[in-house]
Order: sequence, then C-alpha cells, then structure tokens
Amino acid sequence: AQKVTQAQTEISVVEKEDVTLDCVYETRDTTYYLFWYKQPPSGELVFLIRRNSFDEQNEISGRYSWNFQKSTSSFNFTITASQVVDSAVYFCALSVPGYNFNKFYFGSGTKLNVKP
Amino acid sequence: NAGVTQTPKFRVLKTGQSMTLLCAQDMNHEYMYWYRQDPGMGLRLIHYSVGEGTTAKGEVPDGYNVSRLKKQNFLLGLESAAPSQTSVYFCASSWAVSYNEQFFGPGTRLTVL
Repeated sequence: AQKVTQAQTEISVVEKEDVTLDCVYETRDTTYYLFWYKQPPSGELVFLIRRNSFDEQNEISGRYSWNFQKSTSSFNFTITASQVVDSAVYFCALSVPGYNFNKFYFGSGTKLNVKP
Repeated sequence: NAGVTQTPKFRVLKTGQSMTLLCAQDMNHEYMYWYRQDPGMGLRLIHYSVGEGTTAKGEVPDGYNVSRLKKQNFLLGLESAAPSQTSVYFCASSWAVSYNEQFFGPGTRLTVL
C-alpha cells in the first residue's frame, strides 16, 4: 500500500528563520515519484518539485531545498530565511506507476505560518 | 494559456439541491481528476478520467457523478447535496504518465446547508 505522512500539522516561525517540513512515504515499488505542492491562502495548488526514486541528489532552488533519503523513506523540504510570503499549506505527494492512471497519494499537509 | 479553470468559485446549496461543477483545461491533457479537500485530510480523489468518454471512481465517489464528453472538460455533479459534501473541490489534469505533475484549478468552495 502507498501512503504519505506529514506529521507536522502546523508550524509557526518568525521571518528569516529556517524551517523544515517533513514528509515520510510508504511504498513497496522501486519506481516512484515524489512531489511537493504549495497552497497559498488564495487556495490554488502550485507545483514546486518532482523527484524520481532513482535520483537521490538533493535539490536547491533559491531559498528552497529538498532532501530525499530512500533509507528513511523521507523527502523533506527546507525553506531558508523564511519570508511572510512562504505562509501556506504545503503538501507532499507520491505517485507510483503501474496503475491505469496517474494516481497521487497526498499527505494531509503542513500549514506554515511565517510571522514578521 | 488559462491552464485549469473551474466554475463556479463559490456556491451555497440547500440539502437536496443539485448542481454541476465545471472544469476546463486547455493543455490537451489526457487525464483529469476531481478532488475534495477537507480540513486535516489533505486531498481525496472523488473520480477521475483517463480520456474522453471515460470515467472511474476514486476513493470517495459516493454522492457524486462525473462526465467527460469532451477531452477538455470534466464535470462533477451532485444530484442531491448533503451537508457532508460541504468542502473545497479541486479539479486537476495531467499527461498520461505517472511522473508528470498534476495541474490544479483554483478550487470551488461549496457549502451545503
């Protein structure tokens, strides 16, 4: 069975602090894909990153970085020097091929509050 | 490109009323999806479609019907709305492979009184 767990329901930080959002996934498949989405207060879901199971290289994009560790089945997301605009709900998702459609398994989301 | 659009953005229904939510995408995606988002539960898949004229059930299909008569449109119907269907509904679309991200619409906030 596939599952994504985001144990942190809500996190509050002060602007300029670094913050890490945790994502733990479960799957028995060797080929899979992991995603992060951002849902700002306006409501739409914005795609941030995709990672495949064969690429464990960490990725950095500006203030955002992602740490993928197969050994711990984790795909954590770090925001460096957080800003108020980072306040949003962040979702981690897992996709596994072999189905007849592109099924996503979403975590329950982590709400990030960045205070000025 | 408009991407994925949803109509309407907000709606209030009384118990027992019916309505249809419209989703349209202009990216020529094969796959389309309807999700509902409830507090603390993430996104749950209601129905999906892998192509024009096809639909299938997701995790929480009861009380909903869908149709995909045209590739670019995916309709979600509530025949007899119930308060348990109060939620935010998202439509999404994607290419037909699992490594592709899903593109989401802006959502429809539905309240059933």
